[in-house]
Amino acid sequence: DVKVTQSSRYLVKRTGEKVFLECVQDMDHENMFWYRQDPGLGLRLIYFSYDVKMKEKGDIPEGYSVSREKKERFSLILESASTNQTSMYLCASSGSSYNEQFFGPGTRLTVL
Amino acid sequence: SQKIEQNSEALNIQEGKTATLTCNYTNYSPAYLQWYRQDPGRGPVFLLLIRENEKEKRKERLKVTFDTTLKQSLFHITASQPADSATYLCALDTDGSARQLTFGSGTQLTVLP
Repeated sequence: DVKVTQSSRYLVKRTGEKVFLECVQDMDHENMFWYRQDPGLGLRLIYFSYDVKMKEKGDIPEGYSVSREKKERFSLILESASTNQTSMYLCASSGSSYNEQFFGPGTRLTVL
Repeated sequence: SQKIEQNSEALNIQEGKTATLTCNYTNYSPAYLQWYRQDPGRGPVFLLLIRENEKEKRKERLKVTFDTTLKQSLFHITASQPADSATYLCALDTDGSARQLTFGSGTQLTVLP
């Protein structure tokens, strides 16, 4: 059974803290994605990666960075968390172009 | 880039009826379109993919149509059940590269017993 796991389900951080969100997939997928989901705005793509050490900006990359050192792991980094980054963060992976994306359970991040 | 509209944020229907959800897009026609189901507090789950040269796709009680002239996809759930209650998202190829998707904001479906 395919699996995408995320390091935390719930996270509470303070403004200015550095935050790491980790995502691991066990399907040997090339592509990995980070989204945030907010009420009324839907899923918005932050960054994606189509290969190890490769990354591309999505629609809302400001305030975020990513790291992909191994094929199965894709990390999202908030260098200095702000309250407007309070959101649900979803990681996904896909095997190749045109294929469906498999999502993790999400991390609900609250920045105080 | 694509803009997607999923009409009606919420849709209530009676058990046993057919639910019809709409996904409209602007700009160019994507090579394919996908539908996902999302339950509260969980990540989306893939349901169906339909390609631009396919008019219709079925899977059990689900049916998806794709009209590139109208720039619209319809998602039908026949003989709906309370367990079908969820938010349904459509997603399109963002820029023709098939590397990333643009998601609609979803329609929340409630099937009333």
